[in-house]
Amino acid sequence: DAGVIQSPRHEVTEMGQEVTLRCKPISGHDYLFWYRQTMMRGLELLIYFNNNVPIDDSGMPEDRFSAKMPNASFSTLKIQPSEPRDSAVYFCASSSGIHEQFFGPGTRLTVL
Amino acid sequence: AQTVTQSQPEMSVQEAETVTLSCTYDTSESDYYLFWYKQPPSRQMILVIRQEAYKQQNATENRFSVNFQKAAKSFSLKISDSQLGDAAMYFCAFSSGSARQLTFGSGTQLTVLP
Repeated sequence: DAGVIQSPRHEVTEMGQEVTLRCKPISGHDYLFWYRQTMMRGLELLIYFNNNVPIDDSGMPEDRFSAKMPNASFSTLKIQPSEPRDSAVYFCASSSGIHEQFFGPGTRLTVL
Repeated sequence: AQTVTQSQPEMSVQEAETVTLSCTYDTSESDYYLFWYKQPPSRQMILVIRQEAYKQQNATENRFSVNFQKAAKSFSLKISDSQLGDAAMYFCAFSSGSARQLTFGSGTQLTVLP
């Protein structure tokens, strides 16, 4: 049974470029979460969806960040334009009716 | 707003010994869930154990068990018979019954000494 799939695993880009991170949740899960992990701020929620609808996006840093979930099996997190302070590990997680969340392997983003 | 505090940035334990990682939380909610996640160097977040607030019995998963003190808002993780593979960063996390997102502590880096 496949877990949460994220791509790419690593992304190196230059400041000002657009970055798109992708996530495929576990089949049947109706909640999808995007988290960011940095040394300074730890793990923090960016946004989460329920049945493809954004429920809480209060953690999205600013207008440069946007997230979509066009269907139950796919979500994207986009940063445009990217800045060096966006460098972090970005995790996608999914869950069903229970509260425990299952995480993907993460995307390590480096913005030069 | 909920907060989760892990006051031990680093811990070490001898292989085969027992270690306890501490976690406290603050919430006004009565319905909530608590978790311990493990993050090895691969950075994969792995669920170790979960506890529902309404359950009085402490959760156990093989060598892992928790001491859940609801009145004190304390949720510690005990690892028995520590193994080299237990070395990782451990995060305590909180989820309320109404809001699904996880609030994480700052983590405890566990070293297992051979």
